[in-house]
Amino acid sequence: EDQVTQSPEALRLQEGESSSLNCSYTVSGLRGLFWYRQDPGKGPEFLFTLYSAGEEKEKERLKATLTKKESFLHITAPKPEDSATYLCAVPPESGGSYIPTFGRGTSLIVHP
Amino acid sequence: DGGITQSPKYLFRKEGQNVTLSCEQNLNHDAMYWYRQDPGQGLRLIYYSQIVNDFQKGDIAEGYSVSREKKESFPLTVTSAQKNPTAFYLCASSRDRGNIQYFGAGTRLSVL
Repeated sequence: EDQVTQSPEALRLQEGESSSLNCSYTVSGLRGLFWYRQDPGKGPEFLFTLYSAGEEKEKERLKATLTKKESFLHITAPKPEDSATYLCAVPPESGGSYIPTFGRGTSLIVHP
Repeated sequence: DGGITQSPKYLFRKEGQNVTLSCEQNLNHDAMYWYRQDPGQGLRLIYYSQIVNDFQKGDIAEGYSVSREKKESFPLTVTSAQKNPTAFYLCASSRDRGNIQYFGAGTRLSVL
């Protein structure tokens, strides 16, 4: 059974203080990983898909990286508007179910 | 623009009442999903549908029912058998198996 663990559960940063969120997973074989951002009271917004170890993707102050066992979401010089819950998920095994496995998320608060 | 529309945004249920949450997508996706989100518990799968006229139970299907009569629509009914329905409900869809890139804005259900 696939397992996805996100850490920390919550993170408080000062504006401009760079940090990283972690998403570690136990799967039968690396099949990619998704990152989402969720604002309070709204649905998750898709950010990135990473498909292979060593891959990196960037969007504004966010950079996602992937290894065989974990992914990091690096936030460089965050602003208060980056405050949100960040979710990661692993897609199902090909030929198997249609159900991805989600982590519980990291709640990020960036103080001005 | 394509996307997922959930309605209503807020819903109140009286004891013993069934209520239906609407989910419509114009993305031409075959697969659709319903998730329940409670504070600190992440996303829990209620039901999913791979194709029209077919759907499967997720981890917490008891007290819920769905239908998939059209590709675009996947309504969720919260029945009176669901004793703790207060939660945030999210609908999602995917073009590829489990590769969810689109969520609706969510429906917040409360009990009167």
